[in-house]
Amino acid sequence: QKEVEQNSGPLSVPEGAIASLNCTYSDRGSQSFFWYRQYSGKSPELIMFIYSNGDKEDGRFTAQLNKASQYVSLLIRDSQPSDSATYLCAVNMYTGNQFYFGTGTSLTVIP
Amino acid sequence: GAVVSQHPSRVICKSGTSVKIECRSLDFQATTMFWYRQFPKQSLMLMATSNEGSKATYEQGVEKDKFLINHASLTLSTLTVTSAHPEDSSFYICAMGQAHSNQPQHFGDGTRLSIL
Repeated sequence: QKEVEQNSGPLSVPEGAIASLNCTYSDRGSQSFFWYRQYSGKSPELIMFIYSNGDKEDGRFTAQLNKASQYVSLLIRDSQPSDSATYLCAVNMYTGNQFYFGTGTSLTVIP
Repeated sequence: GAVVSQHPSRVICKSGTSVKIECRSLDFQATTMFWYRQFPKQSLMLMATSNEGSKATYEQGVEKDKFLINHASLTLSTLTVTSAHPEDSSFYICAMGQAHSNQPQHFGDGTRLSIL
């Protein structure tokens, strides 16, 4: 079993809709959780991080963490064509300095 | 967010050439450096992790004698692809972080390596 799993997609949503991206992780010792966005041909850029159970909002983005169920999700409200990218979930195990990335979910926002 | 400078952004060279990629943090001290490789339409693949002043830890299947990593200071790490061949053509990305912390990795812009 991989440490971090994401649905590879592609996920398509119409412009203005909510895009929901999900990620599950295997190790209950995981401490911190990150979402990166990667445009084609570019390197990943950090868009959100979350450490505690619950929701964290930043503009149109909301990260949701449920440690009991070992999943973390990213909601993108009012999706724009410029949000079309691959979204990478990453999990950090604090004590072991282990940092794991999922394989990414490809999102396409249709104008 | 933290700024990581990686260069060159693109390299095209002949087979057998050695190529050095430099990664530098501009505004924070990185105790840990990660080097990734990404082939077209594939996910990030971790190649190695290095801590400042220590030897790098390579992932299974990555040849340490071919991919030389030097993490000489808290702000600078280099990856040298020795005697590169066409199969080494890929997108190489560095990321900097801090060991044993809850901080994210900060990525450089990547180097696209093409071996003819």
